[in-house]
Amino acid sequence: GNSVTQMEGPVTLSEEAFLTINCTYTATGYPSLFWYVQYPGEGLQLLLKATKADDKGSNKGFEATYRKETTSFHLEKGSVQVSDSAVYFCALSEWETSGSRLTFGEGTQLTVNP
Amino acid sequence: GAVVSQHPSRVICKSGTSVKIECRSLDFQATTMFWYRQFPKQSLMLMATSNEGSKATYEQGVEKDKFLINHASLTLSTLTVTSAHPEDSSFYICSATLAGAEHLTDTQYFGPGTRLTVL
Repeated sequence: GNSVTQMEGPVTLSEEAFLTINCTYTATGYPSLFWYVQYPGEGLQLLLKATKADDKGSNKGFEATYRKETTSFHLEKGSVQVSDSAVYFCALSEWETSGSRLTFGEGTQLTVNP
Repeated sequence: GAVVSQHPSRVICKSGTSVKIECRSLDFQATTMFWYRQFPKQSLMLMATSNEGSKATYEQGVEKDKFLINHASLTLSTLTVTSAHPEDSSFYICSATLAGAEHLTDTQYFGPGTRLTVL
């Protein structure tokens, strides 16, 4: 079956530091990959997505590249802000086998200090 | 675009009562809606998949008679927690996907969540 593994948190950084949150996946076919962000007390917001190998998703300074050879979709940001403090979820869906159903990683708590 | 709302955002009820949570897609039609449950500091647990006009598909271990799901229209799905107990206290989140053959999409758009507390 499909699975997603994220780097363990929590992650604490100073403002303007470089961020990497690792995500690797297991899937039987050609999944779409997502990063969602959850701010305290809120639902999830789609941060970025990529639907095929070598695609790069980007939004609000965050980037992630779909690497089929390493089955990875690591999230990066060059300079984090205090407002980026949230929980980040990596997820995949595989339309052929499970439609739009998502498989989530465990989530990574990010705290950015001023 | 692709905004999903939930109502109420917070609810407190007594043990034994039933609570209904609404999930609405505000600016698009959704053939499929999902209901999740999230415990503190944990990931989302899929409870059920709801398709408009048909019965919901529940995940293993989720009691369909306790968590009643109705998807009566392309913009509204409801989750009713029947005879709620303190262990049902949780954060419930819904999501929706776009309808239509031209939207063979796998992107889910999430609501803001409902915090249920059962006393």
